[in-house]
Amino acid sequence: AQKVTQAQTEISVVEKEDVTLDCVYETRDTTYYLFWYKQPPSGELVFLIRRNSFDEQNEISGRYSWNFQKSTSSFNFTITASQVVDSAVYFCALSGTSGSRLTFGEGTQLTVNP
Amino acid sequence: DAGVIQSPRHEVTEMGQEVTLRCKPISGHNSLFWYRQTMMRGLELLIYFNNNVPIDDSGMPEDRFSAKMPNASFSTLKIQPSEPRDSAVYFCASSYRGINTEAFFGQGTRLTVV
Repeated sequence: AQKVTQAQTEISVVEKEDVTLDCVYETRDTTYYLFWYKQPPSGELVFLIRRNSFDEQNEISGRYSWNFQKSTSSFNFTITASQVVDSAVYFCALSGTSGSRLTFGEGTQLTVNP
Repeated sequence: DAGVIQSPRHEVTEMGQEVTLRCKPISGHNSLFWYRQTMMRGLELLIYFNNNVPIDDSGMPEDRFSAKMPNASFSTLKIQPSEPRDSAVYFCASSYRGINTEAFFGQGTRLTVV
């Protein structure tokens, strides 16, 4: 069985603050994939990043960065200098090679206030 | 590319009626997914097709739900008869190659069963 936990249900920050969204996962697979998706108020889910279990290198894309640590089974997402447009629900997700499921966490509602 | 196209965007129906949701995946993608999103249960995978063949339908709630993919460019999710507890946002998503690659989501169908 696999599980994704996003312990932070809601986060509220002021514009330009840095914010980190936590994601902890459980899986028995040795090969697996981790994802982050963004769901803005308009409702559609937007793909942000995919990581495989053999690549622990951190990734930076503009103001977004991801910290993957297998030792703690975590795949955290940091937004630097947050903006109002970053307000959305962010989902962490996990898929493995032993099954066909993509398991989503419960999501973190991020509100960036001006 | 137009992205994943779902129709209708909104559907209001009476309990007991048949509801059909439609999806056109991104051209060239060989995997298609139907998800349901509710406040109580979050994002749930209902069914997953690969090359038009259902791979995993264990998420389909009960026999009232059925999904088909007659060709690579079209899928339907049918609920018959519908019940109020089926009210949710239903997302269709497609990916280039299976559950371990990034999925691109449609804008969803908001279903309300009264």
